[in-house]
Amino acid sequence: AQRVTQPEKLLSVFKGAPVELKCNYSYSGSPELFWYVQYSRQRLQLLLRHISRESIKGFTADLNKGETSFHLKKPFAQEEDSAMYYCALSGWKAAGNKLTFGGGTRVLVKP
Amino acid sequence: DVKVTQSSRYLVKRTGEKVFLECVQDMDHENMFWYRQDPGLGLRLIYFSYDVKMKEKGDIPEGYSVSREKKERFSLILESASTNQTSMYLCASSIAQDNEKLFFGSGTQLSVL
Repeated sequence: AQRVTQPEKLLSVFKGAPVELKCNYSYSGSPELFWYVQYSRQRLQLLLRHISRESIKGFTADLNKGETSFHLKKPFAQEEDSAMYYCALSGWKAAGNKLTFGGGTRVLVKP
Repeated sequence: DVKVTQSSRYLVKRTGEKVFLECVQDMDHENMFWYRQDPGLGLRLIYFSYDVKMKEKGDIPEGYSVSREKKERFSLILESASTNQTSMYLCASSIAQDNEKLFFGSGTQLSVL
């Protein structure tokens, strides 16, 4: 079984402060990890995936297989980063990959 | 730009009614998905489809069924709505070569009274 845990339901930070969203997973194989984001009044969309090793909107995330974590980080939070963030895992399934999402973390960046 | 359209933004139904949620995508995507989104529980997969007339159960299929008669349309059916099916329902699609990059609709908030 695959599971994704986001321990923080709400993160409140001041503009310019660092922000880190925690994500832990359980999966017996070799997973692929993703972060999705939903801004106010917008659709849920892909933010980044670990396999790309890219920084999107200043966010980075490193897959740590030893700690089974995929935390999302940004050194200087901006007000436009306020959103709902979901960590997701894809594990191989005979009929194709499917995504399992965590419970989500709401980020509020205060001015 | 990919467009995934869900027919209703808000729906109010009574317990026991049969409910249809419609989803249409315009980018010829092979894969389509139905999730429900609940606070604290995140997104949970109800059903998905990798091809026309094909369907697979997700993690919480009980009380739901789906239909995919055409590639662009994926319908979610609540056979007999119950109050615990009050939720936000999200439809998504993706291409076969990139399963995990989902394009989501704007959601249908269903209230079952």
